[in-house]
This record gives sequence, structure tokens and C-alpha cells, in this order.
Amino acid sequence: NAGVMQNPRHLVRRRGQEARLRCSPMKGHSHVYWYRQLPEEGLKFMVYLQKENIIDESGMPKERFSAEFPKEGPSILRIQQVVRGDSAAYFCASSPSTGYTDTQYFGPGTRLTVL
Amino acid sequence: AQTVTQSQPEMSVQEAETVTLSCTYDTSESDYYLFWYKQPPSRQMILVIRQEAYKQQNATENRFSVNFQKAAKSFSLKISDSQLGDAAMYFCAYIGYSGAGSYQLTFGKGTKLSVIP
Repeated sequence: NAGVMQNPRHLVRRRGQEARLRCSPMKGHSHVYWYRQLPEEGLKFMVYLQKENIIDESGMPKERFSAEFPKEGPSILRIQQVVRGDSAAYFCASSPSTGYTDTQYFGPGTRLTVL
Repeated sequence: AQTVTQSQPEMSVQEAETVTLSCTYDTSESDYYLFWYKQPPSRQMILVIRQEAYKQQNATENRFSVNFQKAAKSFSLKISDSQLGDAAMYFCAYIGYSGAGSYQLTFGKGTKLSVIP
């Protein structure tokens, strides 16, 4: 039973390029969360999605960042026109439903480096 | 807003000894869950243990146990018989309702644990 899959594990982009991060939730999980971990910090919530719907994007920067979770395929976190401050580890988590009783299981993360 | 505070940026423990990592949190909710996650150098986030706030009994998972003091809003992690593989960053986390449709985890800044052979 595969866990949460993320790819790529490492991504290098130059300033101004686009970054696309992919996340496949655990089998049977339809709820996906994205978190960002800046250097020397804990993880911070960005966005919560269900299939074809963004439910809560209260932690997402207003510009350049977007997320989707299509009916088929992985969830995508997209960062347009990356800047050095976007360098971080981006983690995806999934759960079978949503509520405070539901444990979120994390993928291995994507480490984004912006040159 | 919920906050999670880990006041020990770094800790060290001798192999086979016991160490306790501290965590305090702030919330106005009465029902919630608390978690400890481990992040080894691979950066994978691994769930260590979780505690339900309405349960008075402290959670245990093999060598890992918690001391949950609800009134004091304290949630410490005890690692017994420490092993070299326990060396990692440890994050305390609280799950709460965001007010915008999701239950999201709020993390502390972490405690880096070193295990001395």
C-alpha cells in the first residue's frame, strides 16, 4: 500500500521560471493538503483541496501560487515566476476525510531551490 | 488562532538514556488532537504519536510516550532507551479548524535531537 507520493524530490529553477510540484495521495484518500517548510522553520499550511475543489487556500500567497486536484491524476502546486524566497521544502499530506480526528500522512516532500 | 511553542531548539541524549521534549500550545477548543512528528535527515515527516484531547490517558507507542496536561496546555514527548536512529528534528503539532473550511496542522519550530553513542 503505497504512501503519499511526491515528485520531483528536488527541483532547481532560475528566477522567473515556473515550478510544478506533484502529489499523489494515499490510496483511498481524497483530501490533500500542501504545507511549506522554510529553512529552520516548522511546516506552514498553504492549501486544502478535495477532488476538483479548492476548499481552503487561506495560507497560500495571493500571487504566483496556485493549486489544483483534478478528477484524474495528482494534485499540482504551481509557482509562477519563482523568486529566491520561494526556496523551501514543499510537503503534501493526505487523509481519508477531514476533521480533527483524521491523521494527515505526509509525502517525502519536494525541495525547491531557486537560483 | 492556535499556536504551538517548542522552547528547546536543540537537545542531546546519550544512547540508551531517556529524553523529554517539551511543547506547549494555545487553543480555545475543547476537543482536538495533538501530534509529534519526526523529521530525519531524509526530511520525510513521520508520525510518531498522537493524543486525543478528551482522553485523559497518555498515549504510548513502544519507546515513545507523552505527558499530556490539558489544563496547562502542555504536551511533552518522552523517548526511552534512545537509539541512534532517533536522531532527528521533532515537531509538535496541533490540528484545529481554520475557520475557512479545513482542519489544518499548526506546527512548532521543532527540536533537533542528537543521540550520542
